[in-house]
Amino acid sequence: ETGVTQSPTHLIKTRGQQVTLRCSSQSGHNTVSWYQQALGQGPQFIFQYYREEENGRGNFPPRFSGLQFPNYSSELNVNALELDDSALYLCASSFRVEQFFGPGTRLTVL
Amino acid sequence: GQQLNQSPQSMFIQEGEDVSMNCTSSSIFNTWLWYKQDPGEGPVLLIALYKAGELTSNGRLTAQFGITRKDSFLNISASIPSDVGIYFCAGGSGNTGKLIFGQGTTLQVKP
Repeated sequence: ETGVTQSPTHLIKTRGQQVTLRCSSQSGHNTVSWYQQALGQGPQFIFQYYREEENGRGNFPPRFSGLQFPNYSSELNVNALELDDSALYLCASSFRVEQFFGPGTRLTVL
Repeated sequence: GQQLNQSPQSMFIQEGEDVSMNCTSSSIFNTWLWYKQDPGEGPVLLIALYKAGELTSNGRLTAQFGITRKDSFLNISASIPSDVGIYFCAGGSGNTGKLIFGQGTTLQVKP
């Protein structure tokens, strides 16, 4: 059974650019959640996708957007990058309550 | 908004000692989850709790869902060096599946 995978592993962007992060969910899971984890902090919920529809959103601006595809994989898009967007972005897949995390994408904004 | 207070913030213990950490909230949660995160990796699920008062074990780990539904604790017995890492509690409620995480407890184990 393949776990949650994310790509790329690391990414460096400059302020104002746009970025797309990708996530493949664990086999059998139909729900994907995205979290932002700043250094030294716990993960913060960005949003969740269930059956290709957004199913809840945290306190993040509209420049954070997402998609879920028919195979349940997902993308996180961030427009107009700001320095404070530098963080570890985590994807978690689930079928019920338990969420299983991928290794994350480390985004650095210069 | 909902916040979780996790304590202690860090612990430095001797191998073989038992460890206890807890999480409290001003809000009620329907589920409590405990995760461990190693540097540069994603959190790994350790234990999930679904009912108030529930006590669940996973090897040397034991966790409880508080009666008030506003707190949870995690115990690690007979710590070993590979227990080193950051432990997070997370509370879940409602239908969105949103998890609220604590700030983490950093555990260091001296051989």
